Amino acid sequence: GAVVSQHPSWVICKSGTSVKIECRSLDFQATTMFWYRQFPKQSLMLMATSNEGSKATYEQGVEKDKFLINHASLTLSTLTVTSAHPEDSSFYICSARPGTGVLQETQYFGPGTRLLVL
Amino acid sequence: AQSVSQHNHHVILSEAASLELGCNYSYGGTVNLFWYVQYPGQHLQLLLKYFSGDPLVKGIKGFEAEFIKSKFSFNLRKPSVQWSDTAEYFCAVFYNQGGKLIFGQGTELSVKP
Repeated sequence: GAVVSQHPSWVICKSGTSVKIECRSLDFQATTMFWYRQFPKQSLMLMATSNEGSKATYEQGVEKDKFLINHASLTLSTLTVTSAHPEDSSFYICSARPGTGVLQETQYFGPGTRLLVL
Repeated sequence: AQSVSQHNHHVILSEAASLELGCNYSYGGTVNLFWYVQYPGQHLQLLLKYFSGDPLVKGIKGFEAEFIKSKFSFNLRKPSVQWSDTAEYFCAVFYNQGGKLIFGQGTELSVKP
């Protein structure tokens, strides 16, 4: 149980285009999903917290107009990288937290999406 | 500021050696503690977690961790590593104050067969 999927797993795009990444909780409902970014040989950095039916909360330094997050249902959150540039190339990982209102519950991570912007 | 520090960037061991990976976190009120593992080419998997109770936590694949509140530490241990334990290990701390999961820098473990 507690499986999180991401699609696509790999994406290569031209500079200036937009890319959408989907994160789905397959066997549980997630009122909260998280988006992280991982640079090579570095740790995961939280980008934003996505709550179903409301606006995402972005971490300091993360451009909300560039990284659009939509959490339209209890099992799906999307991250759209708008007007992507080479510096946006990275490994994007989502996680989902089951349950409602229990902050301590475990986050389950998706397999990640590797984005390469040419 | 809330932060998590892992002491070792890269650890190299021979099979059957014992493992201890250090993790310290900054004070920030009530916390929940996690160790995640990322095998090459795979996603993060939960090894073990501590919320409350017995500070010695047992996880999957023979791993355990000890929460020492006075030292703000949550070190990961395994008595005898295997080649298949080669992976990246991340300590993560959920700070209830702020509601965020903060990751350490990660420790790359290489086990020689």
